[in-house]
Amino acid sequence: AQRVTQPEKLLSVFKGAPVELKCNYSYSGSPELFWYVQYSRQRLQLLLRHISRESIKGFTADLNKGETSFHLKKPFAQEEDSAMYYCALQAGGTSYGKLTFGQGTILTVHP
Amino acid sequence: KAGVTQTPRYLIKTRGQQVTLSCSPISGHRSVSWYQQTPGQGLQFLFEYFSETQRNKGNFPGRFSGRQFSNSRSEMNVSTLELGDSALYLCASSLAGTGANVLTFGAGSRLTVL
Repeated sequence: AQRVTQPEKLLSVFKGAPVELKCNYSYSGSPELFWYVQYSRQRLQLLLRHISRESIKGFTADLNKGETSFHLKKPFAQEEDSAMYYCALQAGGTSYGKLTFGQGTILTVHP
Repeated sequence: KAGVTQTPRYLIKTRGQQVTLSCSPISGHRSVSWYQQTPGQGLQFLFEYFSETQRNKGNFPGRFSGRQFSNSRSEMNVSTLELGDSALYLCASSLAGTGANVLTFGAGSRLTVL
């Protein structure tokens, strides 16, 4: 069975500082990995997925299969980045719609 | 376009009762997934439906069931409610097909079991 671990429950940084939200996974196959974000009073929404290799709102994430990690990074945090961030894994094959989520990290960006 | 719509948004039930939650996916999305979110267990996958067929199921007891209609709308049912079923139930829809599916989530139905 697959597992996603986000070791930090809370993460606080100051505006303009770099931020890294850690995500480690365990899965024997080739996973699809995502970061979802939930801003205050908003719905859970996709931030980015590894297959796209894109930068969204200044965030990037690189899949490191050797270290089984998919850390989320942003060089200069903004106050509007404060939110709950979830790392999620979709196993290969026929795991349609089935995501395994980490416990989430609450990011607070102080002014 | 309209997002994923879940009804009701809030409901209170007592132990032993049953509950039915509804989800209308984004137009054109044929896959609907359900998740349970609790402070202790986080987000846990319940099941996924596509073309009225359950394709995936999580590790929940048989009291949790669902179905999907021909218009892709989905319902989930929880019978013989227990206190531990109190949670936010999230529905998500996607285009389905193969590959990495991006899920679009609804606002959730918050169930309180007394």
